[in-house]
Amino acid sequence: RKEVEQDPGPFNVPEGATVAFNCTYSNSASQSFFWYRQDCRKEPKLLMSVYSSGNEDGRFTAQLNRASQYISLLIRDSKLSDSATYLCVVIHLGNTPLVFGKGTRLSVIA
Amino acid sequence: ETGVTQSPTHLIKTRGQQVTLRCSSQSGHNTVSWYQQALGQGPQFIFQYYREEENGRGNFPPRFSGLQFPNYSSELNVNALELDDSALYLCASSLARQGRHEAFFGQGTRLTVV
Repeated sequence: RKEVEQDPGPFNVPEGATVAFNCTYSNSASQSFFWYRQDCRKEPKLLMSVYSSGNEDGRFTAQLNRASQYISLLIRDSKLSDSATYLCVVIHLGNTPLVFGKGTRLSVIA
Repeated sequence: ETGVTQSPTHLIKTRGQQVTLRCSSQSGHNTVSWYQQALGQGPQFIFQYYREEENGRGNFPPRFSGLQFPNYSSELNVNALELDDSALYLCASSLARQGRHEAFFGQGTRLTVV
């Protein structure tokens, strides 16, 4: 079983739709959780950190469920510019390396 | 834009050759990690350096080696290149403080082994 697993993609949604991505992690001692966005042939960029019960940033909402070892990302009112791969990332302890999921590809269609 | 820069941005090498990739870290960050990202996959951890010492390594063979310098910049060296080493190599500069962790990636080096 992989340490971080994500919904398989691709997700093809129309502009204005709401889309949700899910991610599960296997290490119950994991401490920090993030969503990164990666555009084609570019480096990953931090989208949101998820430190406690979740947080919201504009159209984006991230939720964490420690009991189920599950995090989610909700995107409301999808824009064409949201098209990218969304990577779920977990850190076990402090300054240990990032553990990435495989990524979920989103295509927002006009 | 982050302060993390990688060089070169693109590179083509022949099987069996050696390659050195470079990364400058974000100001104030003392940790550098290297990742390999194959097409259609998430980044895979290679190793991490903290204050010039390797303090973590992923499932990569010894022909993948690295260095971190006193200014916290870093190198990734790969010997005896294989075709499967073709990938995007990402460097991340990071800092963990007060229970929070921040990591910034360089733009990556795209290595093609032919």
